[in-house]
Amino acid sequence: TQLLEQSPQFLSIQEGENLTVYCNSSSVFSSLQWYRQEPGEGPVLLVTVVTGGEVKKLKRLTFQFGDARKDSSLHITAAQPGDTGLYLCAGASNSGGYQKVTFGTGTKLQVIP
Amino acid sequence: NAGVTQTPKFQVLKTGQSMTLQCAQDMNHNSMYWYRQDPGMGLRLIYYSASEGTTDKGEVPNGYNVSRLNKREFSLRLESAAPSQTSVYFCASRDGHPGELFFGEGSRLTVL
Repeated sequence: TQLLEQSPQFLSIQEGENLTVYCNSSSVFSSLQWYRQEPGEGPVLLVTVVTGGEVKKLKRLTFQFGDARKDSSLHITAAQPGDTGLYLCAGASNSGGYQKVTFGTGTKLQVIP
Repeated sequence: NAGVTQTPKFQVLKTGQSMTLQCAQDMNHNSMYWYRQDPGMGLRLIYYSASEGTTDKGEVPNGYNVSRLNKREFSLRLESAAPSQTSVYFCASRDGHPGELFFGEGSRLTVL
């Protein structure tokens, strides 16, 4: 069974602070996605990383895929209240001809104004 | 654009009752999925349909059935609801990169 462990599970910070969320696994993934989910809504895709060591930036959010494609991090610079939400990582891999997507348990972020 | 639409958004059932969750997507995607989300357990795949006319079991299929009615619609049926099926259910679709899913807003189901 593939597991994606996210840390921390909960994070409460003041507006303007920086933070990093981690997503770790013992399995290799062909790609990794980050989603953000707000209360009462479905997850929304933020980014896909495919190549080991790849770094992608989305405004104040920086995503990195580990060299071995087993882990990833999400760094937020100068967090804003609008960043509040549940952040989910998801890894895609081949499983018997099917592209399996495994989700992490999530990091709940609260940014206090 | 509507994207992925799920109905109903909320439902309360008694143990043993049956119901169907409906999902429709207007993005012409081939693949559709049903997930459940429970606190501390993330999103777990119930069933998926790689293309119209095919369905396959995911991680937690017991107690559920699905129908891919056409390319747009994928329904999830609970034949005899149990309290353990209390959860938030999400339908998703994709047609591009394997991990890039488009989700509906969710259906919150409580089984008493």
